[in-house]
Amino acid sequence: SDALTQPPSVSVSPGQTASITCSRDQLGRKFVCWYQKKPGQSPVLLIYQNNKRPSGIPERFSGSNSGNIATLTISGTQAVDEADYYCQIWESSVVFGGGTKLTVL
Amino acid sequence: EVQLFESGGGLVQPGGSLRLSCAASGFAFSNYAMSWVRQAPGRGLEWVSTLIGSGHISYFADSMEGRFTISRDNSNNALYLQMNSLRVEDTALYYCTRGTAGDFSTFDYWGQGTLVTVSS
Repeated sequence: SDALTQPPSVSVSPGQTASITCSRDQLGRKFVCWYQKKPGQSPVLLIYQNNKRPSGIPERFSGSNSGNIATLTISGTQAVDEADYYCQIWESSVVFGGGTKLTVL
Repeated sequence: EVQLFESGGGLVQPGGSLRLSCAASGFAFSNYAMSWVRQAPGRGLEWVSTLIGSGHISYFADSMEGRFTISRDNSNNALYLQMNSLRVEDTALYYCTRGTAGDFSTFDYWGQGTLVTVSS
């Protein structure tokens, strides 16, 4: 399967909106989910089926997927959001993106 | 409360074997697909294997198929990963994960992980 491409790093100021992209040819035809991974902690499911939030996930996390790009958007980014973020799809196997390190400056 | 607890990690020499276990609680284990996902030091998440609830259908990442075996004991709410012919590059923290009710490839619960170190 083709790789999922994520930017290695994204920086954002507190209170601003962070956008993390995940790209692949015709990605919009797949369901994308997103995970947050903090050092020393287990990954947390943030978004599934492109734009659904599991219970307990703050509303500031949202997702979209169209064309070749899926986007995780964090509105009103907080210092606690500093983490690695991974997109993931199923295509005959589970495929993870390479991860994006979000820095909240 | 859903809980997943991995065990069985440790130090093993290249070419050796190890069996990881995952004890699950807080949900109807046999109704859910379960998976193993790993993270090597300084690297990203990497899927290892998925086993559907019945235990009859499994999927593996290409680099692990033939060396790793996934199994489950639904009567004891346990998931296993038998790892043979281990390589240095298999060194990682191995997570036990649960698939969601609607999609076995979306992981809604994760254990704390068990560390596997392959080194001579």
